[in-house]
Amino acid sequence: EAGVVQSPRYKIIEKKQPVAFWCNPISGHNTLYWYLQNLGQGPELLIRYENEEAVDDSQLPKDRFSAERLKGVDSTLKIQPAELGDSAVYLCASSRQDQETQYFGPGTRLLVL
Amino acid sequence: KQEVTQIPAALSVPEGENLVLNCSFTDSAIYNLQWFRQDPGKGLTSLLLIQSSQREQTSGRLNASLDKSSGRSTLYIAASQPGDSATYLCAVGGYTGANSKLTFGKGITLSVRP
Repeated sequence: EAGVVQSPRYKIIEKKQPVAFWCNPISGHNTLYWYLQNLGQGPELLIRYENEEAVDDSQLPKDRFSAERLKGVDSTLKIQPAELGDSAVYLCASSRQDQETQYFGPGTRLLVL
Repeated sequence: KQEVTQIPAALSVPEGENLVLNCSFTDSAIYNLQWFRQDPGKGLTSLLLIQSSQREQTSGRLNASLDKSSGRSTLYIAASQPGDSATYLCAVGGYTGANSKLTFGKGITLSVRP
């Protein structure tokens, strides 16, 4: 089966510019996660979706970050405006509802100049 | 707040050696514990998942153990190979169900020398 797909793989922008990341989860996976991974750190959860509903967004900086999963499949994570400290890898993962193994995409590497 | 610690941050061993990677966590009220592998520039690959009621899981040359009461887990790699070189992350699942939040450690970067 195809894995989690993310695009773009790399993105370089100037600070204060907007940026968006896209994720296509594994077919049939109801649960979708966005994680932030800083260099030398483990991933940290930003938001978790069950179908279209965001069930855990407590770690999402809502002043500049937003996410959506309109039809319960693909998801988009947006940052507006980007800051230098947002430079990191943004990982998307998915899992079947009530199954614990999370499958990760390759991530999008963001560099804010 | 759950905290997950993995020490040391990096480890270098000769090929063929058996090795143990350690993980500790502060809150024993967990749903599960998972070990992941991350290759440079790649996403994470799940290696083993241990339910909170289990003591260990095995897959090939990998064996993971869980001692929930002491807040510890180990990943045992038998007969290490250069292809095992990667970063290994431990993640603890919160006690809210199967899809609950994972809290990750910073990982251990393993280098297996030929």
